[in-house]
Amino acid sequence: AQSVAQPEDQVNVAEGNPLTVKCTYSVSGNPYLFWYVQYPNRGLQFLLKYITGDNLVKGSYGFEAEFNKSQTSFHLKKPSALVSDSALYFCAVSELNTDKLIFGTGTRLQVFP
Amino acid sequence: DAGVIQSPRHEVTEMGQEVTLRCKLISGHNSLFWYRQTMMRGLELLIYFNNNVPIDDSGMPEDRFSAKMPNASFSTLKIQPSEPRDSAVYFCASSLGTGGPTEAFFGQGTRLTVV
Repeated sequence: AQSVAQPEDQVNVAEGNPLTVKCTYSVSGNPYLFWYVQYPNRGLQFLLKYITGDNLVKGSYGFEAEFNKSQTSFHLKKPSALVSDSALYFCAVSELNTDKLIFGTGTRLQVFP
Repeated sequence: DAGVIQSPRHEVTEMGQEVTLRCKLISGHNSLFWYRQTMMRGLELLIYFNNNVPIDDSGMPEDRFSAKMPNASFSTLKIQPSEPRDSAVYFCASSLGTGGPTEAFFGQGTRLTVV
């Protein structure tokens, strides 16, 4: 079965510093991976996805993610964090041959001024 | 397009009452998902439709929960009778549903409180 794991419940980073939110995956076949962000009292918003091609995927709000097949990871990154990036981040994997998404448990990102 | 629209945004009801949550999909989308979010269990997929047909309802907690798609653009999630443990934020999401991996677009959610 397809699954993703987010090992950190919370990540704290100072504004202006680089941030990384970790995600590892377990899949049968090719991995199709996604990152979503949830701001307070809002639905999830799509940030970026990896289907095939370049291992570095660029997305919304300056975020990017690096697909690493040997480490089965898809970490979310941003070179310089903003206080407004503080939110809940979810990694997800698509189930084989469907558009059904399996989400991780989420990581709360807190960016301090 | 206005995106996925859910109603109501907030619902407070008494235990034992029937609750109906509503969702309008993005035009042209063929897949519809109902999720439930709680602090304890995180984000859970309840049911998944494709072309108005339920594909996977293994996440529906029990017979008190039912979901329908009366047409291609609208869905309802009903809880009857409601219980306090059903209190959660319920999200609807839609995607293109063309059979391959594609992103889903979420509504703003319905915060349900059962007292």
